[in-house]
Amino acid sequence: GAVVSQHPSRVICKSGTSVKIECRSLDFQATTMFWYRQFPKKSLMLMATSNEGSKATYEQGVEKDKFLINHASLTLSTLTVTSAHPEDSSFYICSASPEAYEQYFGPGTRLTVT
Amino acid sequence: RKEVEQDPGPFNVPEGATVAFNCTYSNSASQSFFWYRQDCRKEPKLLMSVYSSGNEDGRFTAQLNRASQYISLLIRDSKLSDSATYLCVENQGGKLIFGQGTELSVKP
Repeated sequence: GAVVSQHPSRVICKSGTSVKIECRSLDFQATTMFWYRQFPKKSLMLMATSNEGSKATYEQGVEKDKFLINHASLTLSTLTVTSAHPEDSSFYICSASPEAYEQYFGPGTRLTVT
Repeated sequence: RKEVEQDPGPFNVPEGATVAFNCTYSNSASQSFFWYRQDCRKEPKLLMSVYSSGNEDGRFTAQLNRASQYISLLIRDSKLSDSATYLCVENQGGKLIFGQGTELSVKP
């Protein structure tokens, strides 16, 4: 099956620093990748849709200058949380889509900002 | 009103029980839906796709009622390993909208 990896799986950083999370599709090309965040006991919330070679589409309420998304190749998208604050602590999950209507999720990245 | 709304749960059932989860959606134009399961601190994993009136896969049956904008998931002969959070997901033109999830705990 389609495999999506994320790195790192867990990161702890100090307030004010930036953190980059990578999402890779390992055995397929993904023209579209999605970034979600999930707070404890809550559902996944779509943050942005990332298309290879173009700007990401952000959901309402998501600051594009704070959550920088780059989708430079068909197998890699990155999410950079800039100037992280404790309220950014969350579980960030990416998914990749090889074709319409199928999404395969990465294992997630747990971010803790101290 | 939430776009995708699920039973709040949690559901605590004994092994072997049959359990049903309900889900409603608000966008009448949506064509496809999914049930995902999510284990604690893990990513969601696809359980079933629901494109027409419903489908069955072993102990799992999903049903879709477009008139009522309602989706259900039935688990028969529940196992301890079925314990997880079950997420109802609506596909809105390639964008997945997740329900808040229903937690299931199967006890021996």
